Amino acid sequence: AQSVTQLGSHVSVSEGALVLLRCNYSSSVPPYLFWYVQYPNQGLQLLLKYTTGATLVKGINGFEAEFKKSETSFHLTKPSAHMSDAAEYFCAVSPSETGNQFYFGTGTSLTVIP
Amino acid sequence: GAGVSQTPSNKVTEKGKYVELRCDPISGHTALYWYRQSLGQGPEFLIYFQGTGAADDSGLPNDRFFAVRPEGSVSTLKIQRTERGDSAVYLCASSMTGVGYEQYFGPGTRLTVT
Repeated sequence: AQSVTQLGSHVSVSEGALVLLRCNYSSSVPPYLFWYVQYPNQGLQLLLKYTTGATLVKGINGFEAEFKKSETSFHLTKPSAHMSDAAEYFCAVSPSETGNQFYFGTGTSLTVIP
Repeated sequence: GAGVSQTPSNKVTEKGKYVELRCDPISGHTALYWYRQSLGQGPEFLIYFQGTGAADDSGLPNDRFFAVRPEGSVSTLKIQRTERGDSAVYLCASSMTGVGYEQYFGPGTRLTVT
């Protein structure tokens, strides 16, 4: 069975500082990996995804994530936080064998301090 | 183009009543998913449709929950004899069929059972 762990339910960073949101998965076969962002009272929006190929993927709004198979991780980073980055972030995995069902982590709430 | 839409955006109902939640997926998306998101949690998978048929309904919590997609487009999630524990945001997503495709989410329906 797939599971996703997001360490840190709340992360605070200063404006301009590095953003690091952690995601680890458990799966015998590397799954497809996704990061979604959810702004208040809005639906989830895809930030980036990894399926195959280059393990460092770039997404929207300056975010990127690196798939590390040896660490079963897919951490999300952004070099310089902006006030508009304050939101809830969800990591999700999808089995590579079927790719249908998504399993989400419990989310990380990012606060950006001016 | 139009995204995934869900109606109503908010629904308040009394315990024991029946409710229907509607989802209009992105045109051309054959896969449709329902999730439930409780406060402070990530989306929890309920059911997945491929076309008109439910390909995976393993996430439905009990037989009070049922979903249909009769024409392979619009879907309705039906909850009978609602309980206070059913209160949550119900999210719908759609995607192209196949592995690795991202899911596009609607804004959700906030269900409150009093």
